[in-house]
Amino acid sequence: AQSVTQLDSQVPVFEEAPVELRCNYSSSVSVYLFWYVQYPNQGLQLLLKYLSGSTLVESINGFEAEFNKSQTSFHLRKPSVHISDTAEYFCAAASGRRALTFGSGTRLQVQP
Amino acid sequence: GAVVSQHPSRVICKSGTSVKIECRSLDFQATTMFWYRQFPKKSLMLMATSNEGSKATYEQGVEKDKFLINHASLTLSTLTVTSAHPEDSSFYICSASQGPEVQPQHFGDGTRLSIL
Repeated sequence: AQSVTQLDSQVPVFEEAPVELRCNYSSSVSVYLFWYVQYPNQGLQLLLKYLSGSTLVESINGFEAEFNKSQTSFHLRKPSVHISDTAEYFCAAASGRRALTFGSGTRLQVQP
Repeated sequence: GAVVSQHPSRVICKSGTSVKIECRSLDFQATTMFWYRQFPKKSLMLMATSNEGSKATYEQGVEKDKFLINHASLTLSTLTVTSAHPEDSSFYICSASQGPEVQPQHFGDGTRLSIL
């Protein structure tokens, strides 16, 4: 079965600083990877996804993630964060047509 | 595009009552819908996979008779928490996938269920 590990439960960072949220998944022949963001009392919003092709994927709000098969990682990065980026971030993985397996989440706390 | 609506967003009810939560795909046909449960400050746990016109597939440990799932059409799935008790209080989130592939999934805004 697929498993997803987010080692950091909380990441405090100052505004305009860079940030990296780590995600590792268990090895699979075919895997789809996702990052979702959740604001308080809301559902999940898809931030970016890796299905195939280029290993570097980007979102419209400046986040990017790189699929690294050898390290089984899909870390999320942003060169300069804003206060509005404060939220819970979930990494998720799926093999083929199976349901998503979520990591435990990382709380990004951007401080002024 | 790919909007999923979940209703109600919040419900508070007495112990012993049954609660129905609806999940609708507004602008696409969802052949597969998923129901997740999220405990406070925890990740999402898959409860069941729902395919239109067939019985839902429940994850291990999820009581089928407690959490009734119906997927009667390509745009609607419902989760009914029967005879709810305080331990059923949680945040329930549905997701739907568009087309023949399951990924990516589009999520509803969730339902905060509080049982008194």
